[in-house]
Amino acid sequence: GAGVSQTPSNKVTEKGKYVELRCDPISGHTALYWYRQSLGQGPEFLIYFQGTGAADDSGLPNDRFFAVRPEGSVSTLKIQRTERGDSAVYLCASGLAGRKETQYFGPGTRLLVL
Amino acid sequence: AQSVSQHNHHVILSEAASLELGCNYSYGGTVNLFWYVQYPGQHLQLLLKYFSGDPLVKGIKGFEAEFIKSKFSFNLRKPSVQWSDTAEYFCAVMDSSYKLIFGSGTRLLVRP
Repeated sequence: GAGVSQTPSNKVTEKGKYVELRCDPISGHTALYWYRQSLGQGPEFLIYFQGTGAADDSGLPNDRFFAVRPEGSVSTLKIQRTERGDSAVYLCASGLAGRKETQYFGPGTRLLVL
Repeated sequence: AQSVSQHNHHVILSEAASLELGCNYSYGGTVNLFWYVQYPGQHLQLLLKYFSGDPLVKGIKGFEAEFIKSKFSFNLRKPSVQWSDTAEYFCAVMDSSYKLIFGSGTRLLVRP
C-alpha cells in the first residue's frame, strides 16, 4: 500500500518568509509525528499528534513553528518568519497508537532558507 | 532526559566482513529500542525493534541486535555485509510519550 508522503520534496525560501510543509500519513494511522533532521545529525522530535490533537509538542523549537491536523489525517507544519537555521530535512512519520507500534517515515521535505 | 549515543560515525568494511555498530542509551527504566536504516536516496526504514522478551532481536536482511540492560547497549550486528548494506544506520529509543530519540547515526560504506 501507499506509504507516508510529504510535499513538497524540496522547498527554497528566503529568510523571513512563511512556509507550509504537508504530510499525508498511511491510511488508518492515528498517530502522526514530525521530526527535523539537520546535516550530520539524527532526526529530532518536533510534535506528535494522536488523532486531531497534539499530544506532545515539546519539541517545537519556538513559537514560529506550528502544526495542525484538523481531520485526523493530513498534517501541515507551518513555519513563520523563517530563519537560516531552520534549514533541514523535515520528516513525517505515522503509525498506529501504542508503544509497540512502528513509526513509518516519509521521504521528507528538504527546506533551504536563504 | 533520555539520550542515545552512536560512537562510530563512519565505518568502512569490505564485503563479507562482519559488522557491529554500537548504540548506548541513557535511560535506566523500561526501554523500547529501534534500529532504522536509510539507504542512499531513500527514506528511513525500520530494521528491527526490541520491546521485551528475548534480548537477541532478529530483523530484516540478516541484521540482529542484542539488548544488554547492564551495559545500556543495543548493538547492531551482521555476520557478513554486502555492498547493498551501504547506508546510514540510526539507533533510537522510545520515550514515555511515544516519541523516538535518535542517535546521530553511523554511515556504513561497504566496498565491493
